[in-house]
Amino acid sequence: EDQVTQSPEALRLQEGESSSLNCSYTVSGLRGLFWYRQDPGKGPEFLFTLYSAGEEKEKERLKATLTKKESFLHITAPKPEDSATYLCAVRALIKAAGNKLTFGGGTRVLVKP
Amino acid sequence: DTAVSQTPKYLVTQMGNDKSIKCEQNLGHDTMYWYKQDSKKFLKIMFSYNNKELIINETVPNRFSPKSPDKAHLNLHINSLELGDSAVYFCASSTGQNQPQHFGDGTRLSIL
Repeated sequence: EDQVTQSPEALRLQEGESSSLNCSYTVSGLRGLFWYRQDPGKGPEFLFTLYSAGEEKEKERLKATLTKKESFLHITAPKPEDSATYLCAVRALIKAAGNKLTFGGGTRVLVKP
Repeated sequence: DTAVSQTPKYLVTQMGNDKSIKCEQNLGHDTMYWYKQDSKKFLKIMFSYNNKELIINETVPNRFSPKSPDKAHLNLHINSLELGDSAVYFCASSTGQNQPQHFGDGTRLSIL
């Protein structure tokens, strides 16, 4: 069974204090790893897709990287508006899985000014 | 011009009642999904439809029945609501290829 574990569960940062979030996964063949941002009372908002080990994607202060067992989301010089829950999800290669995403429990990030 | 919209946003009802949640997407996607997010914030897939055909049906009680009248709509009907059904239900859509899913803002269901 596919599994996704995110750490830490919560992260408090000072504005400008860079940090990394971890997403460890076990999947029967990785078809894609997805990062989402979720604000309170809202649905997950897509950030990145990573397909193969060694791949990196960047968007503003966020950078996602992928290895064969985990992904990292680096937040560089965060601002208070980066406060959110960051979710990681995997999609397996098995055709029977369809386009099912298996999510981790998320990391709640709070950036204080 | 909301991409994936769900109604209602909040649903408070008594145990044993039957209720429905509606979802519509205007992205032209051919695959739609229902997810459940429990109190611990884990998002779990419930159902997936592709062009009105059921593709994924996870281990969900028979009291939950999805219906897709067309590929832009996927509704969720829940019979005989139980306390454990309290959660936030999210609808999502995608192109069906290995593309990201786009989520609605959720329906918060509270069972009294």
